[in-house]
Amino acid sequence: AQRVTQPEKLLSVFKGAPVELKCNYSYSGSPELFWYVQYSRQRLQLLLRHISRESIKGFTADLNKGETSFHLKKPFAQEEDSAMYYCALTGGNEKLTFGTGTRLTIIP
Amino acid sequence: NAGVTQTPKFQVLKTGQSMTLQCAQDMNHNSMYWYRQDPGMGLRLIYYSASEGTTDKGEVPNGYNVSRLNKREFSLRLESAAPSQTSVYFCASSEAGAFTEAFFGQGTRLTVV
Repeated sequence: AQRVTQPEKLLSVFKGAPVELKCNYSYSGSPELFWYVQYSRQRLQLLLRHISRESIKGFTADLNKGETSFHLKKPFAQEEDSAMYYCALTGGNEKLTFGTGTRLTIIP
Repeated sequence: NAGVTQTPKFQVLKTGQSMTLQCAQDMNHNSMYWYRQDPGMGLRLIYYSASEGTTDKGEVPNGYNVSRLNKREFSLRLESAAPSQTSVYFCASSEAGAFTEAFFGQGTRLTVV
């Protein structure tokens, strides 16, 4: 079975401070990991994916297979980063499994 | 380009009533999904369809049925609604393959009283 764990339901960070949203996964094979974001009154949308190894809106995420983690990081938080963030995983069956989400609030 | 379209956006049902949530995508995607979003529970997969004519149960399929009518459309039916099915429902689609992006509809807010 595949499982995604996001231990923090809520996270508040001051503007300009670093941000780290935690994600751990459980999957027996080689997973593909994603971060999705839902801004207020907008659709859920892809933020970044592991395989692309890209930085989007200043966010990066590194897959650590030893710790089975895919934490999302940003060095300097901005007010527009306030949103709901979901870590997600797919395996060979293409079933997309989400974590419970972390609501990030940036304090001005 | 509409992407993924869900109807209706809002619905109130009485316990025991039935209804169908409609979802259509215009991106020629093979895979389609239905999720429910509840506070503190995140998004939980109800059913998914890897291709036209196939459907598989997700994490929380009880009380729901689905139909993959064609490649574009994937409907979710509640045969006898219960208050526990009060939730926000999201439809999504993606190309085949584990590395592809999923595109989401705007959601349907369902209340069962």
